[in-house]
Amino acid sequence: RKEVEQDPGPFNVPEGATVAFNCTYSNSASQSFFWYRQDCRKEPKLLMSVYSSGNEDGRFTAQLNRASQYISLLIRDSKLSDSATYLCAGRSNAGKSTFGDGTTLTVKP
Amino acid sequence: EAGVTQSPTHLIKTRGQQATLRCSPISGHTSVYWYQQALGLGLQFLLWYDEGEERNRGNFPPRFSGRQFPNYSSELNVNALELEDSALYLCASSLGQMSNEKLFFGSGTQLSVL
Repeated sequence: RKEVEQDPGPFNVPEGATVAFNCTYSNSASQSFFWYRQDCRKEPKLLMSVYSSGNEDGRFTAQLNRASQYISLLIRDSKLSDSATYLCAGRSNAGKSTFGDGTTLTVKP
Repeated sequence: EAGVTQSPTHLIKTRGQQATLRCSPISGHTSVYWYQQALGLGLQFLLWYDEGEERNRGNFPPRFSGRQFPNYSSELNVNALELEDSALYLCASSLGQMSNEKLFFGSGTQLSVL
């Protein structure tokens, strides 16, 4: 079983839709969690950190549930420019960040 | 301020050769990480360096090695290249080694083994 698992999708949604991604992790040593965005064959870019209390950045909301060992990302009012692969990552104090394989989102006009 | 820089952008080698990939972290960052991303697959953790020392290693054979220099830049060496080593190699840096430190990635080196 992978340490971090994501639904690979693809998720195909119309502009303006709300879409949610989930990610589960199995390594209890993971302390911090992040969402990254990766455009085709480019480097991942940090989207946001994820906190147990939930955090919001504009149209993006991230949530961490430690008891159930999952993290989520909600995108509201999807834009064409949101089309990308979204990676969740867990990071332990051993410095290792483990990434999921990513969920592909395509927003269509 | 410059981000993480990697060189070369592309590298073409043949089976059995050796490849050297380079990475310069963001100024002030002491931790450098290497990841392998094969086409269509996720990021696989290779190596982590901090303050010149190898701190953690992923499930890769010993022919994958590297080092970190006093200026915190890093090299990844891959010996005895195999076809399946063809991938995008991503370097990332962070301010330190705490778990809440964010990773910032370079644009990668695309290694092709023929």
